[in-house]
Amino acid sequence: NFMLTQPHSVSESPGKTVTISCTRSSGSIASNYVQWYQQRPGSAPTTVIYEDNQRPSGVPDRFSGSIDSSSNSASLTISGLKTEDEADYYCQSYDSSNLWVFGGGTKLTVL
Amino acid sequence: QLQLQESGPGLVKPSETLSLTCTVSGGSISSSSYYWGWIRQPPGKGLEWIGSIYYSGSTYYNPSLKSRVTISVDTSKNQFSLKLSSVTAADTAVYYCARGVLRYFDWLLPRGEFDYWGQGTLVTVSS
Repeated sequence: NFMLTQPHSVSESPGKTVTISCTRSSGSIASNYVQWYQQRPGSAPTTVIYEDNQRPSGVPDRFSGSIDSSSNSASLTISGLKTEDEADYYCQSYDSSNLWVFGGGTKLTVL
Repeated sequence: QLQLQESGPGLVKPSETLSLTCTVSGGSISSSSYYWGWIRQPPGKGLEWIGSIYYSGSTYYNPSLKSRVTISVDTSKNQFSLKLSSVTAADTAVYYCARGVLRYFDWLLPRGEFDYWGQGTLVTVSS
């Protein structure tokens, strides 16, 4: 099994761009798709990125996803930050033995 | 609009079995385009996938919980259920049910993001 490691927290100002990383501990980040979920306080998660870089309908194009094989990591980038983007963000992928793996989550503060 | 609603006891005694049901409304649980899952979140902590089920009854479990977990589906009631046996305080969490979009199969395993979630229900394990 592998782990997905995220920074505990990030902060940025409204209107700026922030990137949240998700590093896979073993095996290639490119071997399984990565999803990103947003969880606002007191609410259930919602998908903001699936299959590395696809946005569900209704998610603004300020949200984008990518993977980088050189650093074996995935990234979620949010541009034009809004106060409503303040939330916890989780990356998620799969391993070969069926398991869904979640990252530990990153708390985004927009201040 | 699809809705999922978890139901079940909010308090379970140690060593007993946690039982939750997820009722799906606004869509059919029998659709071949989706699968269904349970995810939990201990207070103040991150998400943990518990397991998933396809409408056919095929189940997929987190290996770390597999010996204690049973997920089943009742298509006549448009519900799926979770049973977790021999619970301890470590099983205290908010339990979510969710719908998974079946994007593809990977070695017979369903893959795809969870697009609809229930509101979650807090289950506390305590005597």
